[in-house]
Amino acid sequence: DQQVKQNSPSLSVQEGRISILNCDYTNSMFDYFLWYKKYPAEGPTFLISISSIKDKNEDGRFTVFLNKSAKHLSLHIVPSQPGDSAVYFCAASDTSGTYKYIFGTGTRLKVLA
Amino acid sequence: SQTIHQWPATLVQPVGSPLSLECTVEGTSNPNLYWYRQAAGRGLQLLFYSVGIGQISSEVPQNLSASRPQDRQFILSSKKLLLSDSGFYLCAWRPRGNYGYTFGSGTRLTVV
Repeated sequence: DQQVKQNSPSLSVQEGRISILNCDYTNSMFDYFLWYKKYPAEGPTFLISISSIKDKNEDGRFTVFLNKSAKHLSLHIVPSQPGDSAVYFCAASDTSGTYKYIFGTGTRLKVLA
Repeated sequence: SQTIHQWPATLVQPVGSPLSLECTVEGTSNPNLYWYRQAAGRGLQLLFYSVGIGQISSEVPQNLSASRPQDRQFILSSKKLLLSDSGFYLCAWRPRGNYGYTFGSGTRLTVV
């Protein structure tokens, strides 16, 4: 049972345009969400987070939106740069417990120069 | 500063051989520690987590085990590797009071 889903395995975007990566979850107890970026043969690096008490969080070019009623979150990257090409994972957790994050399967973003 | 070390970076092991992957965290105390695996074409699967010395919780029944002999040391082991154990293994830690993880650089394990 995949509690966190990233239904788009890959995405290609032109440099300078907006990249939108989507993530859906099924567990209504999840109350904290993270986005990580991963390059090949490296550990994931933290990008941005959002708590369920918010519906938007911004950090520079990255914005995460949360729609609790739809159990959906998205990561917007504006403007996209070639260095953003990587695999992006969303993760969700019920922070009342042991902070076990459930990760999606990832979306490979390719930003074309 | 707080850092996480994971080794080795790559490992090629024959089927049936033992495994020991080590992860240590510096600059903090009493962290939550986690082992994840990324299999080919799959997401990050949580294998084990630990909230303290000697306290291990397993998420997925399998051929692997974990131990936490010291506060900042987390070890992933197997007595006999299977081909299906191949993958990219990641250690992560979460500081108390912090919501997110910091990951190590990972170990690429290939069982042949």
